[in-house]
Amino acid sequence: GAGVSQSPSNKVTEKGKDVELRCDPISGHTALYWYRQRLGQGLEFLIYFQGNSAPDKSGLPSDRFSAERTGESVSTLTIQRTQQEDSAVYLCASSLDRPLISPGNTIYFGEGSWLTVV
Amino acid sequence: AQRVTQPEKLLSVFKGAPVELKCNYSYSGSPELFWYVQYSRQRLQLLLRHISRESIKGFTADLNKGETSFHLKKPFAQEEDSAMYYCALQGAQKLVFGQGTRLTINP
Repeated sequence: GAGVSQSPSNKVTEKGKDVELRCDPISGHTALYWYRQRLGQGLEFLIYFQGNSAPDKSGLPSDRFSAERTGESVSTLTIQRTQQEDSAVYLCASSLDRPLISPGNTIYFGEGSWLTVV
Repeated sequence: AQRVTQPEKLLSVFKGAPVELKCNYSYSGSPELFWYVQYSRQRLQLLLRHISRESIKGFTADLNKGETSFHLKKPFAQEEDSAMYYCALQGAQKLVFGQGTRLTINP
């Protein structure tokens, strides 16, 4: 596609429910990232997928959070038993599978999924 | 561990004045550093990368390994520079961001 696509763009859910957020990266981008941005806060790294390598899950805040990616395509971020502190914008980004310093490579962000837990 | 610190959450300067957005990092290896910008109602996008030693929209940033800093500077601020700015560090693979600085340029 033309850019990184995320859905839903907005989600309001009740505390305790599970939510799934979807990211469709740019075609050909083998690296995919998820970040969380709480209101008034910076970007918090969650998870990073690179090709067929094991994902870097070091940023996932609890075992209620998980993410999957099939091959080099869509990724899904799942939050189980949502809590009010999970309210945030969840940003997905993708890049070519080589260091970001390489000429012509950069990370492209989606517009984010706004999650509100009530 | 990788860590990026932007000490100023908010920065306000007048048009035409110099601007400096501070960024300090912590990383045991050789860091690759970037500045990203998010204008109102737009996606986060790359502004510049240290390896390129480039000037984008009048902004420059110099990597100072001794002070572990990568401050973003512009000699004469313009109103269209108002945005959220993030400093980022790429370590082994992942890209880690600072908390961001909201820059407001007053007319």
